Amino acid sequence: DAKTTQPPSMDCAEGRAANLPCNHSTISGNEYVYWYRQIHSQGPQYIIHGLKNNETNEMASLIITEDRKSSTLILPHATLRDTAVYYCIVRVLGTTDSWGKLQFGAGTQVVVTP
Amino acid sequence: DTEVTQTPKHLVMGMTNKKSLKCEQHMGHRAMYWYKQKAKKPPELMFVYSYEKLSINESVPSRFSPECPNSSLLNLHLHALQPEDSALYLCASSQDLGSIGNTIYFGEGSWLTVV
Repeated sequence: DAKTTQPPSMDCAEGRAANLPCNHSTISGNEYVYWYRQIHSQGPQYIIHGLKNNETNEMASLIITEDRKSSTLILPHATLRDTAVYYCIVRVLGTTDSWGKLQFGAGTQVVVTP
Repeated sequence: DTEVTQTPKHLVMGMTNKKSLKCEQHMGHRAMYWYKQKAKKPPELMFVYSYEKLSINESVPSRFSPECPNSSLLNLHLHALQPEDSALYLCASSQDLGSIGNTIYFGEGSWLTVV
């Protein structure tokens, strides 16, 4: 599975949009981009995933560039409860033979401030 | 309901003890996972079960012994652990290993301290 690069930390003001970048320049055509977050002392929480189209759900939006070499997770209105480590992961999906390990990188520590 | 339940939440054990961590899910998922997470590090995969059979062992020492008694339960048996095994142990599950809808859901974890 391709590796990802994320900034180690970023701050965001409460109520503003948080834009979290992720670089995955070696991504393959059959690899999906997944985002998880981990609030301190809790288990990782699934946020969103996508292949090449932009995706939106009740938690966030995922914008994937046309060449798929990078993506941005957008938290539209950050709250204090969004303070967490955010992980961008690329993995293969499709068949059992090509099962993609969910392999976490270092992630981005996001701190939302009042 | 996307709940994975882990017990106990906290466990302190001596190096000669035998203990177990338990994990349960009622989402009908057929793939279950154990991850280990050291302080200030990302989670690392340990084991993967698919349809109650061990599919992947990431070269984990034999003092960790997984067991999947049925499709809803996953145990991690611990014996003769070392202090460096102290960590957060995370259980997770997904529909299966290969489908498009293979989102992995995590429990809250069990904090293990080996003394």
